[in-house]
Amino acid sequence: QSVLTQPPSVSEAPGQRVTISCTGSSSNIGAGHAVHWYQHLPGTAPKLLIYVNNNRPSGVPDRFSGSKSGTSASLAITGLQAGDEADYYCQSYDSSLSREVFGGGTKVTVL
Amino acid sequence: QAQLVQSGSEVKNPGASVKVSCKTFGYTFTNYGVSWVRQAPGQGLEWMAWINVYNGYTNSAQKFRDRVSMTTDTSTNTVYMEMRSLRSDDTAVYYCAICGGSSGSCSGGIDPWGQGTLVTVST
Repeated sequence: QSVLTQPPSVSEAPGQRVTISCTGSSSNIGAGHAVHWYQHLPGTAPKLLIYVNNNRPSGVPDRFSGSKSGTSASLAITGLQAGDEADYYCQSYDSSLSREVFGGGTKVTVL
Repeated sequence: QAQLVQSGSEVKNPGASVKVSCKTFGYTFTNYGVSWVRQAPGQGLEWMAWINVYNGYTNSAQKFRDRVSMTTDTSTNTVYMEMRSLRSDDTAVYYCAICGGSSGSCSGGIDPWGQGTLVTVST
């Protein structure tokens, strides 16, 4: 049971759009702490996809976007490609726990 | 460009200790903190601990507080994570990664990451 809640999986056809939710609480996302998103391909190191709610590091396509509202955040992927099949994790800071926390991860499958 | 290179795989008996190294390149070592994150087989990412390389301040998840310690070597720009009293459920890939926030915090995200070190705890 992760502090941040994500759906275990989402799937969609190539070219379509998927969104991944990340639900927190008043001690993390709702407290104003930044939300970051990571893409994790099997056998590789996780990669920062979105930082501080809605910012893309250099080299990340604009097909990936992040948003945050209240105690939740979302990652959207448009124009879904086969290469987007991966696990995606949200991460924030929790004031009550005084540490960083990850969501449980969401597996994206391209049908 | 910052890069982190971790030590190789380890196999340990239950009750033993393991020390994983994380050698950093391409940035001013004391400017950023370093987090440790692990992934057990079939599980998600789990944040373990963090060290402010500049002043040595550390923070860790409650479950690791008594078993995990971190140190730095500024002569080789290397961070070390030692875990004691290993159990079978500590079998995981352990990652080090740079915290991109101010004052060494992770408020700016965690990136880049090392390649991971597989630690297997088994008899």
